[in-house]
Amino acid sequence: DQQVKQNSPSLSVQEGRISILNCDYTNSMFDYFLWYKKYPAEGPTFLISISSIKDKNEDGRFTVFLNKSAKHLSLHIVPSQPGDSAVYFCAASAINNQGGKLIFGQGTELSVKP
Amino acid sequence: DGGITQSPKYLFRKEGQNVTLSCEQNLNHDAMYWYRQDPGQGLRLIYYSQIVNDFQKGDIAEGYSVSREKKESFPLTVTSAQKNPTAFYLCASTNTGTRGSGTQYFGPGTRLTVL
Repeated sequence: DQQVKQNSPSLSVQEGRISILNCDYTNSMFDYFLWYKKYPAEGPTFLISISSIKDKNEDGRFTVFLNKSAKHLSLHIVPSQPGDSAVYFCAASAINNQGGKLIFGQGTELSVKP
Repeated sequence: DGGITQSPKYLFRKEGQNVTLSCEQNLNHDAMYWYRQDPGQGLRLIYYSQIVNDFQKGDIAEGYSVSREKKESFPLTVTSAQKNPTAFYLCASTNTGTRGSGTQYFGPGTRLTVL
């Protein structure tokens, strides 16, 4: 049972354009969502997060939008740069869940072309 | 520098051998986690520990064992019982705080290959 889904395994975008990565979830108890960026053979690095009390959080070129009614979140990167090429994972957790576990999606590989 | 270290970066093991992967953090985080990543898949939780001398199984604990004797260390042993051990292993840590969960920070990973 995949509670967090990233249905697009890959995305290709031109440099300077907007990249939009999507993530859907099924568990209504999730209340904290995160995006991680991962390069090959390296650990994921934290990008941005959002609490369920908000519908938008912005940090520089990165903005995360949360639509609770649709159980959907998205990561917008604008403008996209070649260095943004990586695999992006969304993750979710529920308040007071046992052990602070995060549930990860399968990842979306972003390719930003010059 | 504060952070999470994993060693070794690459590890080769013969079938039937146990092998231990190291994970150390100096972030003073109370909780630590082990994940496995396979090609085209997300991160799957193997084991986690919220406090010293205590740990719980994650979603794919079979064939693995852990210990948490010190707050900063959470080694993972891949035993010969693990049927498909070749993978990229990631360690993470966080302070769970008052909400019970928080942003996890990851080490650089260990690539284990079984020959």
